[in-house]
Amino acid sequence: GQNIDQPTEMTATEGAIVQINCTYQTSGFNGLFWYQQHAGEAPTFLSYNVLDGLEEKGRFSSFLSRSKGYSYLLLKELQMKDSASYLCAVRDPGGDGGSQGNLIFGKGTKLSVKP
Amino acid sequence: DGGITQSPKYLFRKEGQNVTLSCEQNLNHDAMYWYRQDPGQGLRLIYYSQIVNDFQKGDIAEGYSVSREKKESFPLTVTSAQKNPTAFYLCASSSLSGGIYEQYFGPGTRLTVT
Repeated sequence: GQNIDQPTEMTATEGAIVQINCTYQTSGFNGLFWYQQHAGEAPTFLSYNVLDGLEEKGRFSSFLSRSKGYSYLLLKELQMKDSASYLCAVRDPGGDGGSQGNLIFGKGTKLSVKP
Repeated sequence: DGGITQSPKYLFRKEGQNVTLSCEQNLNHDAMYWYRQDPGQGLRLIYYSQIVNDFQKGDIAEGYSVSREKKESFPLTVTSAQKNPTAFYLCASSSLSGGIYEQYFGPGTRLTVT
């Protein structure tokens, strides 16, 4: 079956570093996305990994290991505005989702940043 | 400004009534999607469309219907057959011609049915 696991909640301190893990078991793999979602708002795209390794984008980095079915999102120099839910999503090319496939989302990790 | 609009932001309906949620995009994206988000749950795909006049059921299509008469528009109807319609509904779109095909989301419609 399709399964994406993330911790439900995490707490970190302003200025610190936090790592949010995501493990997945899907019938296929065609990329992994991380989205940020503030409460009551739309998810916004943060990062994309399709090959193994680290992708860095400012304060945010994302890592992928396809052999382990594992990814993490690393947030550095945490700010209060980083308090949000972080959604891990895997694109599965299987089924009839077209050549690119549809996204399968995890339940999200709610991050609280404290002063 | 390019983007996706959903209206209204909050919608209240009585049980037994059908209701249509609007989604419009001016990003010239081919694909559009409807998701439902419940507390403690991930986003679940209701319907998607990759081309005008064609759409496909997602994982939880029962009790919902859609149309795609124009590239820009993908309205979702929540019918009275949907057993638990109260939720946050998100519309998204993506290009299918180049790039990583990330999905862009609208601001969402929070539907409450009593």
